[in-house]
Formats: sequence, C-alpha cells, structure tokens
Amino acid sequence: GEDVEQSLFLSVREGDSSVINCTYTDSSSTYLYWYKQEPGAGLQLLTYIFSNMDMKQDQRLTVLLNKKDKHLSLRIADTQTGDSAIYFCAERNNFNKFYFGSGTKLNVKP
Amino acid sequence: DVKVTQSSRYLVKRTGEKVFLECVQDMDHENMFWYRQDPGLGLRLIYFSYDVKMKEKGDIPEGYSVSREKKERFSLILESASTNQTSMYLCASSSLRGGLGEQYFGPGTRLTVT
Repeated sequence: GEDVEQSLFLSVREGDSSVINCTYTDSSSTYLYWYKQEPGAGLQLLTYIFSNMDMKQDQRLTVLLNKKDKHLSLRIADTQTGDSAIYFCAERNNFNKFYFGSGTKLNVKP
Repeated sequence: DVKVTQSSRYLVKRTGEKVFLECVQDMDHENMFWYRQDPGLGLRLIYFSYDVKMKEKGDIPEGYSVSREKKERFSLILESASTNQTSMYLCASSSLRGGLGEQYFGPGTRLTVT
C-alpha cells in the first residue's frame, strides 16, 4: 500500500504553536485529512484540504500542502492543554482508498 | 450527526474463542471499514465493504472475517482468537454521496486475548 509517515511524538508548551508534519507517496491523492483522537475515543475529523489547494485556515488550525514534495502539515496556533491528543493524517486517492499515518502524539505542557 | 456505535468498549476473551465485534452506523453510508490500532503502527485496514454482502480484504485480513448482511451493520469475526490479536479495533463508515467522503469512526473496542 501507499506510505503515509508522521513523527510519533511532539511536545510543546501551552501558548506556543504546534506543527505536525506528514509525508505521503500517493500522487493520485484527492483529499487529505487531519483527524484527532482523544484518549479512549475514536478518531474525529479535524480539518481537510483538497489536493488542488495550498493552504486552508480554520480558526487556530492552518493546513499547508506542498504537492510537489507530497508534504502536509497541521499548525495549531496558541496550543492549549485540551489539544493534547494523537493526530493522524490521512489521504484518499482516486480509487477511494484511504491511507492513514501512524499518528503523532501531541503533549502540551502547562 | 453521524453516529457509529460499537457493541463493546472493552472485551476480554480467551485464546481459541470465537469473537464477534459489531458495528452499526445510522447515516445510510454505503462504505464500512474495520481497522486495528496498535502503538506506533497507526491504523491498519483489516476489511472493508462497499455494499451489503460485499467485502474486500484490507492490508491485514489473516485471522479475521467479516459479515455485512444489512447496510447499517458490519461485523468483524475472529474465528479463533490469539494473543497477537489483542488490540484496539476501530470501525468506520463513509459515503461518496456529496460531502468530503471522510470516514466517521466509532469509539473503538479494546480487545484483550489471554
């Protein structure tokens, strides 16, 4: 299958910005998603970006897509303790196949 | 709101037992998925289904089977549970009819096989 890679851990201080990075290999990606998983829960869609966009902003969240390098990032401004969770990037290709990364565990220190 | 429910949050079974994990979605989604989630490995697709009575193997189908007799229900079956099937199991559903086609997830079932 296709590879979607993320670093496993990120630790930031409350109030700082967090940047979670993701790389993927499927050049036929149509949509890319960021999901958030809080402890003991399933995944919830946080935001998304179409593959023909470079950037999408949604309140404290900014998604950047570099299609040439197949690099996706999620920036969380003014990170709060409630943002502590595992963040998964995912891509959906032309064949409606989904590929998820391994998840990045974000730890926000007060 | 889309709701995906899973029959159990926690389950403990013995090696060799037959295990049924049930998943129900209430949004008439045509697609349903079963994943297992293990630390450092992310989500790995076990099986998926695009329609009633249809099933397709994902990346790690060995030791599992599925059943989709009704559109809203997708069951994962462990024919003879083994300790290496101890994991978190996540069910998801999606639809391509309008929207983003994103997957909606249930809360997960943490299965321990002893």
